[in-house]
Amino acid sequence: EIVLTQSPGTLSLSPGERATLSCRASQSVRSNYLAWYQQRPGQAPRLLIYGASSRASDIPDRFSGSGSGADFTLTISRLEPEDFAMYYCQQYGSSLGLTFGGGTKVEI
Amino acid sequence: EVQLVQSGAEVKKPGESLKISCKASGYRFDNYWVGWVRQLPGKGPEWMGIIYPGDSDTRYSPSFQGQVTISADTSTNTAYLQWSSLKASDTATYYCARLPGDFLRVPFDYWGQGTRVTVSS
Repeated sequence: EIVLTQSPGTLSLSPGERATLSCRASQSVRSNYLAWYQQRPGQAPRLLIYGASSRASDIPDRFSGSGSGADFTLTISRLEPEDFAMYYCQQYGSSLGLTFGGGTKVEI
Repeated sequence: EVQLVQSGAEVKKPGESLKISCKASGYRFDNYWVGWVRQLPGKGPEWMGIIYPGDSDTRYSPSFQGQVTISADTSTNTAYLQWSSLKASDTATYYCARLPGDFLRVPFDYWGQGTRVTVSS
């Protein structure tokens, strides 16, 4: 299976600052089928980005995704209070199965 | 409006069986894959398996093959996840989620609210 490694484990920032989250795959992700999800405590994951760089419906444009092959980045340009949460990357193109990263916590 | 509503929290003993559900509404249930995802306390999500209700085509993660059974009932628009013999290590929150297109081409777009399963003697 494709292993996804997210870094850093925790990101301590203030509202208004820029957040840069990394997701590295153990092998190239087919067709850049890489998604990012946000998960707040006690809630289900919410899709933010798919295809490495396309925003899902109703996702604010302060969220952007980039990268290709095995290295991907989620950027939050200016953190809002509601953005402090866990973030997970997921690859969904491998015939060996879907996998998620271990997550990055964005905290104040 | 697309909704996936899961059954309530469960507390079970090791060795007991369990079947949890995920009722879909707001879309054509038999035309979209529905997957199951496990999340252990404080950990990242893990994909367990997925079913296409239209023809019951089911795929399992190698990690969960033989450990759980996924099924769907198109007459009630409900997907199921079941265990025949629970273990303490099955304690987790389980989510169902929909794929808006072909398996291995799109990510999950809508998610259920989660079902917390606690297995303890």
